[in-house]
Amino acid sequence: EIVLTQSPGTLSLSPGERATLSCRASQSITNNYLAWYQQKLGQAPRLLIYGVSIRVAGIPDRFSGSGSETDFSLTISRLEPEDFAVYYCQQYGGSPPYIFGQGTKLEIK
Amino acid sequence: QVQLQESGPGLVKPSQTLSLTCAVSGASVSTGNYYWSWIRQPAGGGLEWIGRIYNTESTKYNPSLESRVTISADTSKNQFSLMLNSVTAADSAVYYCARGLLKFDSWGQGSLVTVSS
Repeated sequence: EIVLTQSPGTLSLSPGERATLSCRASQSITNNYLAWYQQKLGQAPRLLIYGVSIRVAGIPDRFSGSGSETDFSLTISRLEPEDFAVYYCQQYGGSPPYIFGQGTKLEIK
Repeated sequence: QVQLQESGPGLVKPSQTLSLTCAVSGASVSTGNYYWSWIRQPAGGGLEWIGRIYNTESTKYNPSLESRVTISADTSKNQFSLMLNSVTAADSAVYYCARGLLKFDSWGQGSLVTVSS
């Protein structure tokens, strides 16, 4: 079973700063089957990026994804107040077919 | 635009069966374009995929829960359901239904289920 490890567990930044969130896989992820979600308190997760770097329609271009094989990252270029939330990475493939990372909490400094 | 809505009891006794239903609008659970999944999240915890149904009959479950889980679909009502038996307190969580193939592009708002006597 693939394990996704997200770091840091909590990231404290100020609006306007740049955020870089990491997702490391225990095995190489094939076919770019890596997605990122944002979850705000009391809400369901929202898909931001899939295929490592493809932004969902309507997601601001300050969000970007990158990486390959076992190392992936989500970057938010300039933090807006509404960006402070928990972020999860998710991979598809293997058994079970869907695995989530444990999440990174992005909080206001 | 697809919408998903979970429903079911918010309180289940230990050893009993948890049952939830996800009503879908804006898409059909009977077409083979998507998988329809259940995902859960314990309080303050991360996301765990439970299982999925595809084309109303094909199912796949998380091996960690497979012995206790059944997912089924009702095409006449355009909904799919989750049954989890022999529940314990560890099964207390927010349960989400979601649509997706390689990723989950639509989610319900979640249904809080507490296992307690």
